[in-house]
Amino acid sequence: NAGVTQTPKFQVLKTGQSMTLQCAQDMNHEYMSWYRQDPGMGLRLIHYSVGAGITDQGEVPNGYNVSRSTTEDFPLRLLSAAPSQTSVYFCASSSQAARGYTFGSGTRLTVV
Amino acid sequence: ILNVEQSPQSLHVQEGDSTNFTCSFPSSNFYALHWYRWETAKSPEALFVMTLNGDEKKKGRISATLNTKEGYSYLYIKGSQPEDSATYLCAFNFGNEKLTFGTGTRLTIIP
Repeated sequence: NAGVTQTPKFQVLKTGQSMTLQCAQDMNHEYMSWYRQDPGMGLRLIHYSVGAGITDQGEVPNGYNVSRSTTEDFPLRLLSAAPSQTSVYFCASSSQAARGYTFGSGTRLTVV
Repeated sequence: ILNVEQSPQSLHVQEGDSTNFTCSFPSSNFYALHWYRWETAKSPEALFVMTLNGDEKKKGRISATLNTKEGYSYLYIKGSQPEDSATYLCAFNFGNEKLTFGTGTRLTIIP
């Protein structure tokens, strides 16, 4: 099993550009989440999903969109990149809320 | 925003010594408490998930306890080894699907 696969691993964007961070899992997990990791801030929840067709906002959703058309995929879209979105992004999935989450390897995004 | 607090922020421990650190969370609306280990340049890895007051979990030299009534969990490492150097994160389900993380305790084992 590949687990949780995130692409790309690194990305540089110019301010105002848009892009999609991809996340796919092959474990048939219902729960999927996107986090960003900034120095001194820990992991902050951006958006999450409890199943195909269901998404909800986390702690820091502004500037990001998500969709969950299939159980396997949970892409994160940056609508108009800003330098404040420079961060490391992690996708994670779990079979249920009281189970440990499996994390992807992360995407390091720099917005200039 | 409901906060998960971890202490200390960082810790240096001599190889062979035992250590512990704390995760505090609001005791109302508790659902589950998670512990993760995060090594540099890697992804967080789940250690334990605890749901019941008084739960104790153990994996090798690492163990954790949970007190939901007073809102805290302890993580213990017995006989620290250099490979235990990592950031230890706790995370909390506040009665729904959201998983909120603390900022972590960075543990460095001194050989």
